[in-house]
Amino acid sequence: DGGITQSPKYLFRKEGQNVTLSCEQNLNHDAMYWYRQDPGQGLRLIYYSQIVNDFQKGDIAEGYSVSREKKESFPLTVTSAQKNPTAFYLCASSSLQGTYEQYFGPGTRLTVT
Amino acid sequence: DAKTTQPPSMDCAEGRAANLPCNHSTISGNEYVYWYRQIHSQGPQYIIHGLKNNETNEMASLIITEDRKSSTLILPHATLRDTAVYYCIVRSTGANSKLTFGKGITLSVRP
Repeated sequence: DGGITQSPKYLFRKEGQNVTLSCEQNLNHDAMYWYRQDPGQGLRLIYYSQIVNDFQKGDIAEGYSVSREKKESFPLTVTSAQKNPTAFYLCASSSLQGTYEQYFGPGTRLTVT
Repeated sequence: DAKTTQPPSMDCAEGRAANLPCNHSTISGNEYVYWYRQIHSQGPQYIIHGLKNNETNEMASLIITEDRKSSTLILPHATLRDTAVYYCIVRSTGANSKLTFGKGITLSVRP
């Protein structure tokens, strides 16, 4: 099955700890994205990457870091510097040809206490 | 990218057509209209997109007005599984163009 996988579905951490969220895709897409969603709100872009070993900040990058060592993988680290890390995190990917529609993973719900 | 305006919610009866409106009065010539939907606690799902012609696929139809300042997503025979938040997004198709999600419209399909 082609698609995007995110793990785990639910994640709990103590305040002050860094945590890394996994995102893998087997769609052969060049571009990958991380979004954050808070209750009752739309999605906000954290980081995106269009090619291996390169990535750009989105609208709310502070307190987050990413890497893109492989085309298939785009992990997101939520650092202790992120003031309000509890949220629903969504990963997406898209081709950079055609009409660029994005395909989303199932999401990871992170709770920090 | 241009901004979109959607009503916060609407409902329709199961089996009837659901017509979801979207205003995008500042859309520019190279910007497409995209629709996604998000079922509770899942990732958004791409539905359809268009530039100026009406579009139809297995999920829905997209009607764009001639002046392109508004559009309507039509689910021809709504089912309970269509209950979701529907996002109307305007964006260009350049590689650096991003999706900007508003709050969307919550569609509730009633039995």
